[in-house]
Amino acid sequence: TQLLEQSPQFLSIQEGENLTVYCNSSSVFSSLQWYRQEPGEGPVLLVTVVTGGEVKKLKRLTFQFGDARKDSSLHITAAQPGDTGLYLCAGAAGAQKLVFGQGTRLTINP
Amino acid sequence: DTEVTQTPKHLVMGMTNKKSLKCEQHMGHRAMYWYKQKAKKPPELMFVYSYEKLSINESVPSRFSPECPNSSLLNLHLHALQPEDSALYLCASSQALHGPSGNTIYFGEGSWLTVV
Repeated sequence: TQLLEQSPQFLSIQEGENLTVYCNSSSVFSSLQWYRQEPGEGPVLLVTVVTGGEVKKLKRLTFQFGDARKDSSLHITAAQPGDTGLYLCAGAAGAQKLVFGQGTRLTINP
Repeated sequence: DTEVTQTPKHLVMGMTNKKSLKCEQHMGHRAMYWYKQKAKKPPELMFVYSYEKLSINESVPSRFSPECPNSSLLNLHLHALQPEDSALYLCASSQALHGPSGNTIYFGEGSWLTVV
């Protein structure tokens, strides 16, 4: 069974600070997706990374896919209260199954 | 804004009721999915349809019955549910089952189901 370990599970920081969320696995994924989910809403896709070593930037968010395609990170620079939410990583594990991490509940305090 | 539309947004049903959740996408995607999400947990896969044929059933109880009338629509028929089935039900779609970017899955906003 493929597993994605996401850490930390909870993170509460002050506005303006930087943070990094990690997703790690012993399995190789063909692609990895990051989602952000608000309470009562569906997950919204932030980015898909496909190539080992790939780095993608989305404003203050930087996503990296590990060289071996087993891990990924999300770095947020100068966090804002609007960044608050549940962040989910999900790896594509063949046959269209997405393996989800347990999620990181991020709170940015003004 | 999500291009996967789910209705209804909220549903309350009794254990003897029959109801349906509906999902629609107009992105030309050929793979569609149902996920179930409990509070504070990640989504769990229930069903996958590819080209309107059921390709994955994750051992879901028969009280949940999926249907894919055409490539744009996906339904989830509910009958004789239990209170523990209360959850957020998410529909999703992707371009195809395989291909370089085929694994990107887009979710709808979800249908909140409460079984009483």
